Amino acid sequence: AQRVTQPEKLLSVFKGAPVELKCNYSYSGSPELFWYVQYSRQRLQLLLRHISRESIKGFTADLNKGETSFHLKKPFAQEEDSAMYYCALRKAGANNLFFGTGTRLTVIP
Amino acid sequence: DTEVTQTPKHLVMGMTNKKSLKCEQHMGHRAMYWYKQKAKKPPELMFVYSYEKLSINESVPSRFSPECPNSSLLNLHLHALQPEDSALYLCASSRLVSSGGDNEQFFGPGTRLTVL
Repeated sequence: AQRVTQPEKLLSVFKGAPVELKCNYSYSGSPELFWYVQYSRQRLQLLLRHISRESIKGFTADLNKGETSFHLKKPFAQEEDSAMYYCALRKAGANNLFFGTGTRLTVIP
Repeated sequence: DTEVTQTPKHLVMGMTNKKSLKCEQHMGHRAMYWYKQKAKKPPELMFVYSYEKLSINESVPSRFSPECPNSSLLNLHLHALQPEDSALYLCASSRLVSSGGDNEQFFGPGTRLTVL
């Protein structure tokens, strides 16, 4: 069975400080990993996915298969980054997502 | 049109009522999903439709009955719900993984359901 773990329910950082949201997964196959974000009063939306290897809004995430991790990082946090962040996994060949428990990020001005 | 729409935004119903949630997308996606999200919890998958056929039912009680009348619409029929069913119900759609290409899931804003 698959499992996605986000150890921090709440994370607060000061504006301009680096931020890292942790995500670990367990799955025996080759998963796709995603980060979804939910800003206040907005719908859940995709932030980035591991296969794209892109930077979105200054965020990056690298899939580390050895450590089964997909941590989300940003070197300089902004106030508009305050939101709920979910790490999600999709099993190979499947359509649906399994979400981690989420981390609420607060960026302090 | 790159949005998933859901109606109603809010719904209050009694335990004996019958109601329906509606979801619509016009992105040509052939996979559609229902998720349930309780407060401060992640979305939990309920149902997946592929090519308008139910492909996954995550052991959801029969008081929730999904329906996919065509490739753009997804309904969730509710009957004899319990107070613990109160939650945000999210609809999502995507291309099928089997069709290749970008299969990002697009989420609707949700229906906030309260069962009295």
